[in-house]
Amino acid sequence: DSGVTQTPKHLITATGQRVTLRCSPRSGDLSVYWYQQSLDQGLQFLIQYYNGEERAKGNILERFSAQQFPDLHSELNLSSLELGDSALYFCASSPLGRGGFGTYEQFFGPGTRLTVL
Amino acid sequence: AQSVTQLDSHVSVSEGTPVLLRCNYSSSYSPSLFWYVQHPNKGLQLLLKYTSAATLVKGINGFEAEFKKSETSFHLTKPSAHMSDAAEYFCVVSDQPNRDDKIIFGKGTRLHILP
Repeated sequence: DSGVTQTPKHLITATGQRVTLRCSPRSGDLSVYWYQQSLDQGLQFLIQYYNGEERAKGNILERFSAQQFPDLHSELNLSSLELGDSALYFCASSPLGRGGFGTYEQFFGPGTRLTVL
Repeated sequence: AQSVTQLDSHVSVSEGTPVLLRCNYSSSYSPSLFWYVQHPNKGLQLLLKYTSAATLVKGINGFEAEFKKSETSFHLTKPSAHMSDAAEYFCVVSDQPNRDDKIIFGKGTRLHILP
């Protein structure tokens, strides 16, 4: 158990809808990262937040947005959903924000599996 | 531009035999390289990382990898496979420090362990 929690575990919705995925980082970790894993695209970095502020942005679509709250949990909002958004969405946390990927080990949650019908 | 190629999408080995998972990369800078493992229905876990120190990197669970700049490779090895090693393995390259947006994941190699 990594200490990172994600809810819900599974989400089934229809095209055009909007969903919110939630992530609680490990106690004390200030950084939260979001990743998308799909059969087509593989694993892609979406976005990072550090202590409430956006720190780095990867291949995140404009229809997607995220935020990190004062209690450090994070939410990933996906809107105008398309069939191609079906994927496993991972959240990871690490103690610090600086230093880049891997400088501080990231701890991954179990993921939220999103199915868009 | 950076890229990473995992040369095998599936590898099958017998329990107790050596494991070799191949990874080649391209990078404009001095890269940092990582191997992550993903067990079924789980998130990713860091196995090991190379960040320009020793070229032979030892990780958890008996895995190690060697950075070979001349071959642009970072293959993952283990002397003796265990049933619990069955999982998907990802090679990751990051060639710009402090730039989390420059992370590239390989497509993954699924490791099957035969009894």
